[in-house]
Amino acid sequence: AQTVTQSQPEMSVQEAETVTLSCTYDTSESNYYLFWYKQPPSRQMILVIRQEAYKQQNATENRFSVNFQKAAKSFSLKISDSQLGDTAMYFCAFMKHVAGANSKLTFGKGITLSVRP
Amino acid sequence: DTAVSQTPKYLVTQMGNDKSIKCEQNLGHDTMYWYKQDSKKFLKIMFSYNNKELIINETVPNRFSPKSPDKAHLNLHINSLELGDSAVYFCASSQDRAGVETQYFGPGTRLLVL
Repeated sequence: AQTVTQSQPEMSVQEAETVTLSCTYDTSESNYYLFWYKQPPSRQMILVIRQEAYKQQNATENRFSVNFQKAAKSFSLKISDSQLGDTAMYFCAFMKHVAGANSKLTFGKGITLSVRP
Repeated sequence: DTAVSQTPKYLVTQMGNDKSIKCEQNLGHDTMYWYKQDSKKFLKIMFSYNNKELIINETVPNRFSPKSPDKAHLNLHINSLELGDSAVYFCASSQDRAGVETQYFGPGTRLLVL
Protein backbone atom coordinates (compact mmCIF):
# COMPACT_ATOMS: atom_id res chain seq x y z
CA ALA A 1 0.00 0.00 0.00
CA GLN A 2 1.09 3.53 -0.66
CA THR A 3 1.52 6.17 2.03
CA VAL A 4 1.93 9.92 1.75
CA THR A 5 3.49 11.91 4.56
CA GLN A 6 3.23 15.62 5.13
CA SER A 7 5.06 16.17 8.38
CA GLN A 8 4.56 19.92 8.71
CA PRO A 9 1.03 20.67 10.00
CA GLU A 10 1.24 24.37 9.25
CA MET A 11 3.46 27.08 7.81
CA SER A 12 3.38 30.82 7.49
CA VAL A 13 4.97 33.07 4.87
CA GLN A 14 5.14 36.77 4.22
CA GLU A 15 3.39 38.01 1.12
CA ALA A 16 5.72 38.11 -1.94
CA GLU A 17 8.15 35.65 -0.39
CA THR A 18 8.83 32.04 -1.33
CA VAL A 19 7.74 29.01 0.64
CA THR A 20 8.35 25.28 0.20
CA LEU A 21 5.91 22.61 1.37
CA SER A 22 7.33 19.13 1.97
CA CYS A 23 5.90 15.75 1.02
CA THR A 24 7.34 12.27 1.05
CA TYR A 25 5.73 9.07 -0.10
CA ASP A 26 6.33 5.38 0.03
CA THR A 27 5.58 2.99 -2.79
CA SER A 28 6.97 -0.02 -4.59
CA GLU A 29 5.39 1.11 -7.85
CA SER A 30 7.55 2.46 -10.67
CA ASN A 31 4.80 4.15 -12.68
CA TYR A 32 2.71 6.70 -10.84
CA TYR A 33 1.56 10.30 -10.61
CA LEU A 34 1.95 12.88 -7.88
CA PHE A 35 -0.29 15.86 -7.26
CA TRP A 36 -0.65 18.91 -5.10
CA TYR A 37 -4.20 20.05 -4.40
CA LYS A 38 -5.18 23.28 -2.69
CA GLN A 39 -8.22 23.61 -0.42
CA PRO A 40 -9.02 27.24 0.45
CA PRO A 41 -11.60 28.12 3.12
CA SER A 42 -14.28 27.76 0.44
CA ARG A 43 -13.63 24.00 0.75
CA GLN A 44 -13.18 23.49 -2.99
CA MET A 45 -10.38 21.08 -3.93
CA ILE A 46 -8.30 22.73 -6.64
CA LEU A 47 -5.53 21.05 -8.60
CA VAL A 48 -2.30 23.01 -8.28
CA ILE A 49 0.20 20.85 -10.14
CA ARG A 50 0.86 17.27 -11.23
CA GLN A 51 3.99 15.26 -11.94
CA GLU A 52 4.38 12.03 -13.85
CA ALA A 53 6.96 9.76 -12.23
CA TYR A 54 8.55 8.83 -15.55
CA LYS A 55 9.38 12.48 -16.27
CA GLN A 56 12.67 13.70 -14.88
CA GLN A 57 11.83 17.35 -15.49
CA ASN A 58 10.12 19.05 -12.58
CA ALA A 59 6.63 20.36 -13.31
CA THR A 60 5.94 24.09 -13.15
CA GLU A 61 2.72 26.09 -13.27
CA ASN A 62 3.29 29.83 -13.13
CA ARG A 63 4.36 30.58 -9.52
CA PHE A 64 4.15 26.93 -8.50
CA SER A 65 6.91 24.41 -9.07
CA VAL A 66 7.88 21.06 -7.65
CA ASN A 67 11.10 19.42 -6.65
CA PHE A 68 10.58 15.77 -7.52
CA GLN A 69 13.27 13.43 -6.19
CA LYS A 70 12.21 9.96 -7.27
CA ALA A 71 15.00 8.05 -5.55
CA ALA A 72 14.34 9.86 -2.30
CA LYS A 73 10.55 9.61 -2.81
CA SER A 74 10.20 13.30 -2.15
CA PHE A 75 7.81 15.73 -3.82
CA SER A 76 7.95 19.27 -2.47
CA LEU A 77 5.95 22.25 -3.68
CA LYS A 78 7.55 25.68 -4.03
CA ILE A 79 5.33 28.73 -4.14
CA SER A 80 7.08 31.86 -5.38
CA ASP A 81 5.88 35.43 -4.85
CA SER A 82 3.27 34.25 -2.33
CA GLN A 83 -0.11 35.95 -2.52
CA LEU A 84 -2.86 36.32 0.05
CA GLY A 85 -5.03 34.08 -2.11
CA ASP A 86 -2.54 31.24 -1.60
CA THR A 87 -3.76 30.91 1.99
CA ALA A 88 -5.23 27.41 2.07
CA MET A 89 -4.69 23.84 3.07
CA TYR A 90 -2.40 21.99 0.66
CA PHE A 91 -2.62 18.26 0.09
CA CYS A 92 0.01 16.09 -1.50
CA ALA A 93 -1.46 13.04 -3.25
CA PHE A 94 -0.22 9.87 -4.93
CA MET A 95 -1.85 7.82 -7.64
CA LYS A 96 -0.41 4.68 -9.14
CA HIS A 97 -0.87 4.13 -12.85
CA VAL A 98 -3.46 1.43 -13.26
CA ALA A 99 -5.45 0.75 -16.40
CA GLY A 100 -9.18 0.48 -16.13
CA ALA A 101 -10.24 3.26 -13.77
CA ASN A 102 -8.79 1.72 -10.64
CA SER A 103 -6.80 4.87 -10.00
CA LYS A 104 -7.50 6.18 -6.54
CA LEU A 105 -5.77 9.17 -4.96
CA THR A 106 -3.97 8.57 -1.68
CA PHE A 107 -3.68 11.84 0.23
CA GLY A 108 -1.35 13.14 2.89
CA LYS A 109 -2.78 14.81 5.99
CA GLY A 110 -2.37 18.27 4.49
CA ILE A 111 -0.56 21.41 5.55
CA THR A 112 -2.18 24.71 6.42
CA LEU A 113 -0.41 27.62 4.74
CA SER A 114 -1.04 31.17 5.90
CA VAL A 115 0.19 34.10 3.84
CA ARG A 116 0.73 37.22 5.96
CA PRO A 117 0.14 40.69 4.46
CA ASP B 1 -20.52 26.00 -16.68
CA THR B 2 -19.61 24.17 -13.47
CA ALA B 3 -17.48 21.12 -14.26
CA VAL B 4 -18.36 18.90 -11.29
CA SER B 5 -21.40 19.87 -9.25
CA GLN B 6 -22.89 18.41 -6.09
CA THR B 7 -26.23 18.89 -4.38
CA PRO B 8 -26.89 19.75 -1.70
CA LYS B 9 -23.89 21.73 -0.41
CA TYR B 10 -25.05 21.39 3.17
CA LEU B 11 -27.08 18.64 4.77
CA VAL B 12 -28.16 18.58 8.41
CA THR B 13 -30.14 15.56 9.55
CA GLN B 14 -30.96 13.34 12.49
CA MET B 15 -29.38 10.01 13.33
CA GLY B 16 -31.18 7.12 11.72
CA ASN B 17 -32.39 9.05 8.70
CA ASP B 18 -31.65 8.17 5.07
CA LYS B 19 -30.18 10.82 2.78
CA SER B 20 -28.77 11.16 -0.73
CA ILE B 21 -26.10 13.35 -2.27
CA LYS B 22 -26.10 13.92 -6.00
CA CYS B 23 -23.13 14.53 -8.29
CA GLU B 24 -23.00 15.52 -11.93
CA GLN B 25 -20.07 16.24 -14.23
CA ASN B 26 -20.16 17.91 -17.62
CA LEU B 27 -16.54 17.20 -18.53
CA GLY B 28 -17.33 14.14 -20.60
CA HIS B 29 -15.32 11.98 -18.18
CA ASP B 30 -16.04 8.29 -17.85
CA THR B 31 -14.87 7.74 -14.27
CA MET B 32 -16.36 9.22 -11.12
CA TYR B 33 -15.41 8.95 -7.45
CA TRP B 34 -16.63 9.61 -3.94
CA TYR B 35 -14.16 10.75 -1.29
CA LYS B 36 -14.80 11.43 2.39
CA GLN B 37 -13.02 14.20 4.31
CA ASP B 38 -13.28 13.69 8.06
CA SER B 39 -13.17 16.24 10.86
CA LYS B 40 -9.36 16.19 10.80
CA LYS B 41 -9.43 17.05 7.08
CA PHE B 42 -8.17 13.62 6.08
CA LEU B 43 -9.37 12.60 2.60
CA LYS B 44 -10.03 9.02 1.68
CA ILE B 45 -11.48 7.27 -1.35
CA MET B 46 -14.82 5.54 -0.89
CA PHE B 47 -15.92 4.43 -4.35
CA SER B 48 -15.16 4.76 -8.02
CA TYR B 49 -17.33 4.06 -11.03
CA ASN B 50 -16.34 3.68 -14.64
CA ASN B 51 -19.09 3.86 -17.22
CA LYS B 52 -21.69 3.00 -14.58
CA GLU B 53 -19.69 0.03 -13.29
CA LEU B 54 -18.40 -0.10 -9.70
CA ILE B 55 -14.61 -0.38 -9.72
CA ILE B 56 -13.39 0.62 -6.26
CA ASN B 57 -15.27 -0.14 -3.06
CA GLU B 58 -12.95 0.79 -0.25
CA THR B 59 -14.27 -1.06 2.83
CA VAL B 60 -17.15 1.31 3.26
CA PRO B 61 -20.13 0.20 5.43
CA ASN B 62 -22.92 -1.18 3.30
CA ARG B 63 -25.16 1.63 4.59
CA PHE B 64 -23.46 3.61 1.84
CA SER B 65 -24.74 2.75 -1.63
CA PRO B 66 -23.48 4.57 -4.71
CA LYS B 67 -25.60 4.62 -7.83
CA SER B 68 -24.60 5.69 -11.31
CA PRO B 69 -27.56 6.10 -13.67
CA ASP B 70 -25.22 7.21 -16.46
CA LYS B 71 -21.57 8.10 -16.75
CA ALA B 72 -22.22 11.79 -16.03
CA HIS B 73 -23.91 11.13 -12.69
CA LEU B 74 -22.88 9.40 -9.49
CA ASN B 75 -25.15 9.61 -6.47
CA LEU B 76 -24.45 8.52 -2.91
CA HIS B 77 -27.24 7.20 -0.74
CA ILE B 78 -26.67 6.72 2.97
CA ASN B 79 -29.03 4.65 5.11
CA SER B 80 -29.45 4.81 8.88
CA LEU B 81 -27.14 7.77 9.32
CA GLU B 82 -24.76 7.69 12.28
CA LEU B 83 -22.92 10.48 14.09
CA GLY B 84 -19.63 9.27 12.60
CA ASP B 85 -20.94 9.89 9.11
CA SER B 86 -20.60 13.62 9.70
CA ALA B 87 -17.99 14.74 7.19
CA VAL B 88 -17.50 16.52 3.90
CA TYR B 89 -18.18 14.29 0.91
CA PHE B 90 -16.47 15.08 -2.36
CA CYS B 91 -17.36 13.84 -5.79
CA ALA B 92 -14.61 13.80 -8.43
CA SER B 93 -14.26 12.75 -12.04
CA SER B 94 -11.48 11.85 -14.45
CA GLN B 95 -10.98 10.53 -17.93
CA ASP B 96 -9.64 7.00 -17.96
CA ARG B 97 -7.03 7.53 -20.59
CA ALA B 98 -3.32 6.84 -20.21
CA GLY B 99 -1.47 9.99 -19.28
CA VAL B 100 -4.59 12.01 -18.52
CA GLU B 101 -5.76 10.86 -15.12
CA THR B 102 -6.15 14.07 -13.16
CA GLN B 103 -9.21 14.01 -10.93
CA TYR B 104 -11.37 17.12 -10.78
CA PHE B 105 -13.39 17.67 -7.64
CA GLY B 106 -16.82 19.03 -6.93
CA PRO B 107 -17.41 21.68 -4.23
CA GLY B 108 -18.16 19.11 -1.53
CA THR B 109 -21.24 18.39 0.56
CA ARG B 110 -20.98 19.03 4.27
CA LEU B 111 -23.06 16.46 6.12
CA LEU B 112 -23.87 16.97 9.78
CA VAL B 113 -25.63 14.19 11.64
CA LEU B 114 -27.22 15.23 14.95
